[in-house]
Amino acid sequence: KNEVEQSPQNLTAQEGEFITINCSYSVGISALHWLQQHPGGGIVSLFMLSSGKKKHGRLIATINIQEKHSSLHITASHPRDSAVYICAVTKDSNYQLIWGAGTKLIIKP
Amino acid sequence: GAGVSQSPSNKVTEKGKDVELRCDPISGHTALYWYRQSLGQGLEFLIYFQGNSAPDKSGLPSDRFSAERTGGSVSTLTIQRTQQEDSAVYLCASSLWGGIGEQYFGPGTRLTVT
Repeated sequence: KNEVEQSPQNLTAQEGEFITINCSYSVGISALHWLQQHPGGGIVSLFMLSSGKKKHGRLIATINIQEKHSSLHITASHPRDSAVYICAVTKDSNYQLIWGAGTKLIIKP
Repeated sequence: GAGVSQSPSNKVTEKGKDVELRCDPISGHTALYWYRQSLGQGLEFLIYFQGNSAPDKSGLPSDRFSAERTGGSVSTLTIQRTQQEDSAVYLCASSLWGGIGEQYFGPGTRLTVT
């Protein structure tokens, strides 16, 4: 079993829909990261969380440490949000990032 | 330029040749990371530097891979006797501190071994 699991693997939605991507992990962590990778493009760090909730524009990230679960939400989704969204955790035993497999999001106009 | 930069952006090399990939982290960031992403695969951790030292080299896939960092800044990833399976995008990231610091990624170097 992977230490970081994301769901869904693929998600297609219409413009304007509310999007939720989930991440569960099975190890002790010091931080959880949400990253975005556009096709053929680089990787951008969206959020780093160790507790609670963060909001940036239309993006919201939450984490429940007790349940070892995080969600990334996108409100009023737009075709430019189409990308792969990656959840990664920093293990509290060392510095290493453990990556989820990513969620490929397609927003149709 | 305040971001992480990498060079070259693309490198095509013949099997068996050595290559050097360079990463310039954000000024003042003490931690530097190398990852690679093979076609259709997720990100694979290679090595982490805190200052000039690499506490953990276990992610390097073979002894053909080595990395160094000098002056707490620029890092070079060297691949000797390249093989076709080394073809990937090599990504560098830096963070203010190691461990829990938010990582900022460079644009990557696309390596193709023919």
